[in-house]
Amino acid sequence: NAGVTQTPKFQVLKTGQSMTLQCAQDMNHEYMSWYRQDPGMGLRLIHYSVGAGITDQGEVPNGYNVSRSTTEDFPLRLLSAAPSQTSVYFCASSKTPRLAGGTLNTQYFGPGTRLTVL
Amino acid sequence: RKEVEQDPGPFNVPEGATVAFNCTYSNSASQSFFWYRQDCRKEPKLLMSVYSSGNEDGRFTAQLNRASQYISLLIRDSKLSDSATYLCVVNGKDSNYQLIWGAGTKLIIKP
Repeated sequence: NAGVTQTPKFQVLKTGQSMTLQCAQDMNHEYMSWYRQDPGMGLRLIHYSVGAGITDQGEVPNGYNVSRSTTEDFPLRLLSAAPSQTSVYFCASSKTPRLAGGTLNTQYFGPGTRLTVL
Repeated sequence: RKEVEQDPGPFNVPEGATVAFNCTYSNSASQSFFWYRQDCRKEPKLLMSVYSSGNEDGRFTAQLNRASQYISLLIRDSKLSDSATYLCVVNGKDSNYQLIWGAGTKLIIKP
């Protein structure tokens, strides 16, 4: 199994450009999510999905769109890039979205995409 | 107050020593607690879940103190390979699906 894969690994955009960060997992996980990680801050949840066709907003959704047409793929779209979106983006997946016995299932992360917006 | 707070460090520790760090959380109703490890410029990986009764995995021991709302991580006989940033994670107050991440504690093990 490849686990969680993300492309591209690095990207430089100009302000106002749009792009899609790709995320795929081959573990048949129901739950997928996108985080951004900025220096000195914890990971912040952008959007998440509890299954194909279902998405919801996280803590910092503005400026980003997602869709979940298949179990495997969960792309993140930047609509009009801004310098404030310069960050490292991680995609993660887990087997089930539900609390089970009081604990969420382990989240598996992709290698990340380092995005710079000029 | 941040929902999850950690001392950013760095903790500089000689090889073989024991090191411990804490993480405080603000939501008294939180049920899920984890420690993740993140190497430089890599993705986070689960180190261990934290259970109410405390749990141990080899050289690592995690404990939960609900009364004072903190979790702790103890590393015994530290190795050079333990150098990393340790992230504290707690489930969010508004959703079962959202995790709140601390900014991490950086640990440097020196020979």
